Amino acid sequence: DAKTTQPTSMDCAEGRAANLPCNHSTISGNEYVYWYRQIHSQGPQYIIHGLKNNETNEMASLIITEDRKSSTLILPHATLRDTAVYYCIVGGTSYGKLTFGQGTILTVHP
Amino acid sequence: DADVTQTPRNRITKTGKRIMLECSQTKGHDRMYWYRQDPGLGLRLIYYSFDVKDINKGEISDGYSVSRQAQAKFSLSLESAIPNQTALYFCATSAPVYNEQFFGPGTRLTVL
Repeated sequence: DAKTTQPTSMDCAEGRAANLPCNHSTISGNEYVYWYRQIHSQGPQYIIHGLKNNETNEMASLIITEDRKSSTLILPHATLRDTAVYYCIVGGTSYGKLTFGQGTILTVHP
Repeated sequence: DADVTQTPRNRITKTGKRIMLECSQTKGHDRMYWYRQDPGLGLRLIYYSFDVKDINKGEISDGYSVSRQAQAKFSLSLESAIPNQTALYFCATSAPVYNEQFFGPGTRLTVL
């Protein structure tokens, strides 16, 4: 699986958009980008995934660059409950195993 | 009701004891996983199973064993617990097409 690089921590004001970047320069053609988050020792929560097109669901948007070497997770209106560790993971769908790195600690403040 | 459940949620045991952590899911997924998380570290894969007859070692399987009793049940055993197995353990399932993983609430295990 391709390796990802994320900032260690980020801050965001409540109500503003949180933009979390991820670099995955060694991603291969059939690998997807997945985002998960973990709120204080709870089980990780799936957020969104994409291959090459931008994706949006009720939780977030995922923007993937044209060369697929980086992506950005966007939480459009961050709330205090979005404070969590956010993991960007790259992997194939057939293999199943996802490798979790250190992630980005997002702190949303009032 | 939660889609992925784990029992027990907390467990304190002594060195050398055998312990089993259980995981059940109602999502109907074939793929199931056991992860371990230590403070300040990401999740590490212990074992995974793609169906009832399939068991695979992950990156840190030493000292652990698993049993896939049915599609919905995947158990993790520590045959002889040791203190460095103190950690937070998560079970997960994954959807069949795009492999999104869905996690249980975790079991906090302490080995004294």
